[in-house]
Amino acid sequence: DAKTTQPPSMDCAEGRAANLPCNHSTISGNEYVYWYRQIHSQGPQYIIHGLKNNETNEMASLIITEDRKSSTLILPHATLRDTAVYYCIVRVGGGATNKLIFGTGTLLAVQP
Amino acid sequence: DADVTQTPRNRITKTGKRIMLECSQTKGHDRMYWYRQDPGLGLRLIYYSFDVKDINKGEISDGYSVSRQAQAKFSLSLESAIPNQTALYFCATSDDRVANYGYTFGSGTRLTVV
Repeated sequence: DAKTTQPPSMDCAEGRAANLPCNHSTISGNEYVYWYRQIHSQGPQYIIHGLKNNETNEMASLIITEDRKSSTLILPHATLRDTAVYYCIVRVGGGATNKLIFGTGTLLAVQP
Repeated sequence: DADVTQTPRNRITKTGKRIMLECSQTKGHDRMYWYRQDPGLGLRLIYYSFDVKDINKGEISDGYSVSRQAQAKFSLSLESAIPNQTALYFCATSDDRVANYGYTFGSGTRLTVV
């Protein structure tokens, strides 16, 4: 079973920041938080991941709370192309035998 | 060319027929996976392989089989297709020797069993 809880849907105005929350209250010390997105039945796309420090890349920022029980994915300037289902996944990191287990994600609708 | 290529992209087949979905990758990754997605749901893991000699069942392997013909090729078979196997199927690869890199997914195969 997925170990994360996400809202089923969210709206965001184009050009504004989109903040997508995720709860992972049972996360273990060696588990990372991964974010993927899926645009209209395409293959999921990796966005970002982190362990305990905040992370930023060209796509997004990931803010992880100090207790690591929740996190927020931030798309700083959402565009219509960011409309997608966003999946938050916790998983042991590299070299592990754990697989990616997907939940149902958050459908982000970016409005013009 | 795509890093992970799935064929066919779309397929309609009849109940009881055997069908094979193919996946090939150019990323040189050891690990390959097959997922299925039903409408409105997340992806569910069918089978996975950590190297050519390693095959493992996932969450929903009943009714499916796989073959890892080479590092670059991982095929999914439905021995006797049934309508509730109608779904979108994704192949993915990963290289977990490289710390924490993500999975790369193919574009999917839409399978309809009538």
